[in-house]
Amino acid sequence: GAVVSQHPSRVICKSGTSVKIECRSLDFQATTMFWYRQFPKQSLMLMATSNEGSKATYEQGVEKDKFLINHASLTLSTLTVTSAHPEDSSFYICSAVPGLGGYTFGSGTRLTVV
Amino acid sequence: LAKTTQPISMDSYEGQEVNITCSHNNIATNDYITWYQQFPSQGPRFIIQGYKTKVTNEVASLFIPADRKSSTLSLPRVSLSDTAVYYCLVGEGQGAQKLVFGQGTRLTINP
Repeated sequence: GAVVSQHPSRVICKSGTSVKIECRSLDFQATTMFWYRQFPKQSLMLMATSNEGSKATYEQGVEKDKFLINHASLTLSTLTVTSAHPEDSSFYICSAVPGLGGYTFGSGTRLTVV
Repeated sequence: LAKTTQPISMDSYEGQEVNITCSHNNIATNDYITWYQQFPSQGPRFIIQGYKTKVTNEVASLFIPADRKSSTLSLPRVSLSDTAVYYCLVGEGQGAQKLVFGQGTRLTINP
């Protein structure tokens, strides 16, 4: 089946530094990918829609300058958390649509900012 | 996007059949109903999708009444490994549109 690979699975960074998370569609092309954030015991919250070759669309309340999204190819979207702070610590998940049926999600990235 | 309502939590026992109901009163004509399963520290996993009546696959069944304002995910003979959060989502079944997750149902299976 369709696979979305997300890397890294875990990352710890110091406050003030930037972290890049990669999301790849392994066996299909994805012109659109989605980025979610999930805090403990809470549901997934959509952050932005990543569009290949164009600017991402951010949900209300999500800082586009803090969460930089690049979708430079049909199989890769990246999310960069810039100047990370402890409150950015969360579980970040990407997803894409391989075709008919449901979405395929990455395995997620646990970001801890210390 | 149609809003969905599910029970926050459910408990059951191994070997039992579990039914999780989702309410989606404002479902649109073009909307499909999709269920996902999520384990801790993992991304959601697609379980089943349907438009009307009944859909069955190797892991679950999905029952949708004629008015489509609700749906029921049925998990037969659950095991401990079915302990997870289950999300019901409503939206167009094809094409890339954003998914808005509700609170989900935290299902706990006891021995």
